[in-house]
Amino acid sequence: QVQLQESGPGLVKPSETLSLTCTVSDGSISNYYTSNYYWIWTRQPPGKGLEWIGYIYNRGRTKYNPSLESRVTISVDTSRNHFSLKLSSVTAADTAVYYCARAVDSNPFDVWGPGTLVTVSS
Amino acid sequence: EIVLTQSPGTLSLSPGERATLSCRASQSVSSNYLAWYLQKPGQAPRLLIYGASSRATAIPDRFSGSGSGTDFTLTISRLEPEDFAVYYCQQYGSSPITFGQGTRLEIK
Repeated sequence: QVQLQESGPGLVKPSETLSLTCTVSDGSISNYYTSNYYWIWTRQPPGKGLEWIGYIYNRGRTKYNPSLESRVTISVDTSRNHFSLKLSSVTAADTAVYYCARAVDSNPFDVWGPGTLVTVSS
Repeated sequence: EIVLTQSPGTLSLSPGERATLSCRASQSVSSNYLAWYLQKPGQAPRLLIYGASSRATAIPDRFSGSGSGTDFTLTISRLEPEDFAVYYCQQYGSSPITFGQGTRLEIK
């Protein structure tokens, strides 16, 4: 069973860029040019619900939540078995637990990382 | 954007009882691409149901999903102690993917 693990700074200053990576344990991301996997980022502010951020799939195609699209970039590094999230110009409203996840074809998110808390504060 | 509204916000029941959770969509969910997740404190969500009514791998048969179009239901036939948590519905048929606000299932 594939495992996902988020990593990155737990504290980011306002107006800076949040950067996280998600390591994929079984190397399946190396096939992302031809596979049907979707590599996903979702977040959850403390005590609140879930918000889909976006995903990358199929030769680098991306889809982002329109509410964040102007600030989000998701990319893949197959040599390091990971995919990444960058969120620019952060504010306190971006404080959340950030989860990476995977989906296959037109299916929901069947594998999740444990999540990492990112706090935006000076 | 499809808005998902879950009810009730909180459900108080005892182990062994039956739980019925509702998820209503603001417009029809494409291909009934509606999923249910369970989330325990400090943990990531766990997929329970996909395609409105199919159980995910290793999910016990006391969990069942039903519904189509805009109205969906998650039923837990006999509550076990480990079922008390927060449940989210999600539609993944249209972009942006959206989640309901959650139903908290608590021990009475």
